[in-house]
This record gives sequence, structure tokens and C-alpha cells, in this order.
Amino acid sequence: KAGVTQTPRYLIKTRGQQVTLSCSPISGHRSVSWYQQTPGQGLQFLFEYFSETQRNKGNFPGRFSGRQFSNSRSEMNVSTLELGDSALYLCASSLGTGVEKLFFGSGTQLSVL
Amino acid sequence: AQSVSQHNHHVILSEAASLELGCNYSYGGTVNLFWYVQYPGQHLQLLLKYFSGDPLVKGIKGFEAEFIKSKFSFNLRKPSVQWSDTAEYFCAVSQNTGGFKTIFGAGTRLFVKA
Repeated sequence: KAGVTQTPRYLIKTRGQQVTLSCSPISGHRSVSWYQQTPGQGLQFLFEYFSETQRNKGNFPGRFSGRQFSNSRSEMNVSTLELGDSALYLCASSLGTGVEKLFFGSGTQLSVL
Repeated sequence: AQSVSQHNHHVILSEAASLELGCNYSYGGTVNLFWYVQYPGQHLQLLLKYFSGDPLVKGIKGFEAEFIKSKFSFNLRKPSVQWSDTAEYFCAVSQNTGGFKTIFGAGTRLFVKA
């Protein structure tokens, strides 16, 4: 069974640009969650999608948005990038019941210059 | 606001020492509790989880954790650490808020000296 796939692996952008990150969950998983990981802050919850619907959202500004497609693949978009958006963005998939574990991808390392 | 607190950001131990990492959460109601580990260069992976039943749960690689509801705690323990346990450990809590949201603590970096 293929794992969670995130693309691209690395990304370098400049302030003011926008970026789209992609996540393909494990086959059969309908829930996709996105996290921002920075040193000392741990994983900050961005949002969770289940069957194309956003079920939960974290405390991030509206510049951070996402969507999920009918095949459960998900994209995350960040507009008007700021230096502070530099981080590792992780995607995790699961069946969506809340009691089973999350399966994580390798992440996309975003650097904003 | 809902939060997960991990007491130590960095821990350094010698091999064979005992380990206890603290985790407290601020949620009310029913929660599901997890410990994840991230070894250098690897994905986050589950160590153990609790959602009901015996509050003492055992995970992989000799780790265990105890859920103490009255203290809102879920501390991770291992009697004797090995060099290969060097990693970052994250406590996480999920709760049904019209969909499940899993919130993570800031993590504890463990370094085990050989």
C-alpha cells in the first residue's frame, strides 16, 4: 500500500508570491489534515478535510486555504507569502474516525526569501 | 482554547536510564490520546494511543503511557532507554468537534548518550 505522498518536496519562493502544495492520501483514506511544523512550535493544525468538506480549521489567517477533491487528494494554498511562512508543511491521512492513527507524508519544506 | 503542553523541550539521558515525558491537555469531555515519534530523517509515526479501557497503554519499542483523567495527563514512559530512542516525541489529542481535529504539543527532543 503506497504511503502519503506530498509534492513538491522542497520549494523556494519570495515574499508576496503564492504557493500550492499537494497531498495524495493512502488509498481508502477520506480524511486529510494539514500541519505546519517549525522548530520549537511543534505541529500547528491548519485544517482537516473529509469527503471534500472542511470539517475543522486552525488559527491561521485567511491566506491559508485548502481543498479536497473527489479522489481524496488535497491541496493547500498560501497566498501573499511572508517570511514567517517558512516551515515544513505536513499532510496526514486517516479514515477520519478520530480514534485511529494519522499517517504522515514526508512534508514540503517551504522557504520564503 | 484547546491546547497540549509538553513539559520538557529537550531531554538528555544516558543509555539504560529511565524516561518519563510529561503531557497535559486542556480539553474537557471525551478525548483520544496519542504519542508520536519522529526519528531523524523519518516520518512521524505512532508510538501508542489511548481511546478507552485500561488507562495504561503499551506501545512499540517498550514504551508505555498512563492516562490520568483527573490530572488531564498522558505521560510517556520507558524503563530503560537506548541510543536508538534518540528522536523527537509528540503528544497529541483528538476530539470530536464535528469532525476530528488532532492537536499536537510542541514536542520533546530526546538525546540518548551511548
